[in-house]
Amino acid sequence: AQTVTQSQPEMSVQEAETVTLSCTYDTSESNYYLFWYKQPPSRQMILVIRQEAYKQQNATENRFSVNFQKAAKSFSLKISDSQLGDTAMYFCAFMKLWGGLSGNTGKLIFGQGTTLQVKP
Amino acid sequence: GAGVSQSPRYKVAKRGQDVALRCDPISGHVSLFWYQQALGQGPEFLTYFQNEAQLDKSGLPSDRFFAERPEGSVSTLKIQRTQQEDSAVYLCASSLAQSRLSSVGQYFGPGTRLTVT
Repeated sequence: AQTVTQSQPEMSVQEAETVTLSCTYDTSESNYYLFWYKQPPSRQMILVIRQEAYKQQNATENRFSVNFQKAAKSFSLKISDSQLGDTAMYFCAFMKLWGGLSGNTGKLIFGQGTTLQVKP
Repeated sequence: GAGVSQSPRYKVAKRGQDVALRCDPISGHVSLFWYQQALGQGPEFLTYFQNEAQLDKSGLPSDRFFAERPEGSVSTLKIQRTQQEDSAVYLCASSLAQSRLSSVGQYFGPGTRLTVT
């Protein structure tokens, strides 16, 4: 069974600075996806960034980037130029593609989350 | 609609009551998921539909939990004889089953917060 671990329950960062959230996972699968989701206090879960396991290049989305280390099973999220609106709980998630009739989807396995506070 | 919607947003039930939670996925999304999120925890998978077929219900915690999606769009999660341990936020997510690999991902609704007293 796959597991996802986020070892930092809470973190804080000053506005405009850079912060890195860590995530490790355990799987015997070779083809999978990893995600970071953001959940602000309003509770709407928002997809921040995705990484395909077979791609060595780290994904980037504007101020968000990942450091994907497949051999080490590590998937950290770097937020550059932090903004007050980045304050939220961040979840790392693993997904094995089911394929077949289910196509390019699968169930998400989430970590415990990291609460990030951006301070003015 | 533009996004996944869920209703009600908040539900208070007395122990032993039945509840029904509704999810409207993004138009055209054939895959629909239900997750349960306890306070301060990450969401946990409950069940999965592709169109009207329930292909995986391995995460449903007991036979008091039942989900359906009869016409392949709106889904309802029903909990019978609610217990205090059922108190949680119930999240619905949808996705395209045949999305491009570069667009893989699930899109979540705002959730229904269930409190059982």
